[in-house]
Amino acid sequence: DAMVIQNPRYQVTQFGKPVTLSCSQTLNHNVMYWYQQKSSQAPKLLFHYYDKDFNNEADTPDNFQSRRPNTSFCFLDIRSPGLGDAAMYLCATSRGVKNEKLFFGSGTQLSVL
Amino acid sequence: SQELEQSPQSLIVQEGKNLTINCTSSKTLYGLYWYKQKYGEGLIFLMMLQKGGEEKSHEKITAKLDEKKQQSSLHITASQPSHAGIYLCGADMGGDDKIIFGKGTRLHILP
Repeated sequence: DAMVIQNPRYQVTQFGKPVTLSCSQTLNHNVMYWYQQKSSQAPKLLFHYYDKDFNNEADTPDNFQSRRPNTSFCFLDIRSPGLGDAAMYLCATSRGVKNEKLFFGSGTQLSVL
Repeated sequence: SQELEQSPQSLIVQEGKNLTINCTSSKTLYGLYWYKQKYGEGLIFLMMLQKGGEEKSHEKITAKLDEKKQQSSLHITASQPSHAGIYLCGADMGGDDKIIFGKGTRLHILP
């Protein structure tokens, strides 16, 4: 029944070792988002896709990249994780970008050793 | 500076008591969303408010958006252990196609 699925639930990587987080959806939504949430902080939008159109937030580091090969899947690539990148990464979807609620996955908790 | 301020940051209440959480912005809110997050998990949608003065209820949770559309409150009546978690408000402030979030209010319910 899960509609937005994130894998893995927990991810451990080494400092500087590339890591990929995945998100899939069964809702056929047009928009997919990636948020970063650090402990006791607000979720921070990194980027989003409207269909195939990629929208990067101005303050998202170049170290973070994303791919959306089809409607259902979206990936977050961290090219060279630093200790400061340890966080919960939340994927969300919506039908459109205005007046639409977001549907969230359970998140991937990333640890960087 | 944080565009959405939530208060209080943390709240401990006795089971059965009522409580209110607030979300305030210095800008007009074109859409206001309330979500609940359990520790270490994703966000679960509760309610969306768009019109000034709008009020919505779901079970024992009521959310209101003020007439000026700059403040929202979430009220829980007769709190239960299942209400424990982090409540986040999110808002569309117009212009950019995105929802920004507050830091959340951590709610603990004492049995």
